Amino acid sequence: GENVEQHPSTLSVQEGDSAVIKCTYSDSASNYFPWYKQELGKGPQLIIDIRSNVGEKKDQRIAVTLNKTAKHFSLHITETQPEDSAVYFCAASKSSARQLTFGSGTQLTVLP
Amino acid sequence: SQTIHQWPATLVQPVGSPLSLECTVEGTSNPNLYWYRQAAGRGLQLLFYSVGIGQISSEVPQNLSASRPQDRQFILSSKKLLLSDSGFYLCAWSEAGNTIYFGEGSWLTVV
Repeated sequence: GENVEQHPSTLSVQEGDSAVIKCTYSDSASNYFPWYKQELGKGPQLIIDIRSNVGEKKDQRIAVTLNKTAKHFSLHITETQPEDSAVYFCAASKSSARQLTFGSGTQLTVLP
Repeated sequence: SQTIHQWPATLVQPVGSPLSLECTVEGTSNPNLYWYRQAAGRGLQLLFYSVGIGQISSEVPQNLSASRPQDRQFILSSKKLLLSDSGFYLCAWSEAGNTIYFGEGSWLTVV
């Protein structure tokens, strides 16, 4: 089955700096890669996703890049703000949501 | 727009007592529904999923069960809770396709 590895497990950045979280996947048939943000005590919230026919996608300060050849994808957050502090999860799947495999999460802390 | 409601938000139950967590989705028809458990604030483990009324698939053997009595209602149950059942439980839904949307979660503490 699919295996998703996420790095780093913890990340601290100064407010205004950029943050990058990386994930690798094992199944070359995976074609959907979402990212979730989870604040303390709440459910994960979808923040951005990308499909395998696209190499990059942006939404304001957030971007995701996908390298299908290397089987890795990354989340980029620019101009970080304290409210960006949360746990971020990457995930990968091929044919259905049931097969969504999550990474282990990254605790991002933005220092004021 | 679609919304998902999950309750109760928190509960403390003694060992051996029953459990019922409920989840409803609004604004969509025939969604796929899921129950996840999250331990230690990180890993998301899929427990059950359902593609329709009365259709439940279990991903892991455990002390829990799920039911889907109505199209947009999903229930997580246990007859006798164990200490190891403590955790953060998340209901989620998806339509055709890959995108999963989560509820706010339920904190269960078994004492």
